Amino acid sequence: GESVGLHLPTLSVQEGDNSIINCAYSNSASDYFIWYKQESGKGPQFIIDIRSNMDKRQGQRVTVLLNKTVKHLSLQIAATQPGDSAVYFCAELDSGGGADGLTFGKGTHLIIQP
Amino acid sequence: EAQVTQNPRYLITVTGKKLTVTCSQNMNHEYMSWYRQDPGLGLRQIYYSMNVEVTDKGDVPEGYKVSRKEKRNFPLILESPSPNQTSLYFCASSLKGQGAPADTEAFFGQGTRLTVV
Repeated sequence: GESVGLHLPTLSVQEGDNSIINCAYSNSASDYFIWYKQESGKGPQFIIDIRSNMDKRQGQRVTVLLNKTVKHLSLQIAATQPGDSAVYFCAELDSGGGADGLTFGKGTHLIIQP
Repeated sequence: EAQVTQNPRYLITVTGKKLTVTCSQNMNHEYMSWYRQDPGLGLRQIYYSMNVEVTDKGDVPEGYKVSRKEKRNFPLILESPSPNQTSLYFCASSLKGQGAPADTEAFFGQGTRLTVV
């Protein structure tokens, strides 16, 4: 079936460097994408979203890029801080589809090296 | 404070003993859903509810029931739990505005870690 996945289960970066977390999706009908952050022992937290009519969206220290041609989504975190250490999930939605919910990827664990 | 509250946070039970995990949100959200999170599988939707008295199956509904008698509450019921339902469960809610995707800015509870022995 359709799935959303992440290329790497773990990503280790130096504090202060930029982080890039990647996600590939396979449902070409998906038109809405979200990145969630899940810290240890907590539920997922919304970070940023993007609709399929955009290819880039910026938030505070985060940028999401969408390449619909290759069905690729990425989350860029600028100047990574220790508090960014978490598991990051991408999620996709086909808002015109019958199932009215998000499909989540498996997650990437971002580890910050001091 | 806007929040989604799940109870209990941790539960160990035996096979076949009915249990209910409660979920309550104080944001007047219409849309609520339940997910289970398993290693290597990410978050998978169990059931969702578009509004009071409106519920529907997600991707993995087998062995679960839900109800939505009030807008704020969305309990998850396991009538006869089995060991394969050992998992981390999350309840989520979001405001479904006109034209907005259902899970826009979903707020998640803290999670309920269930072990069925």
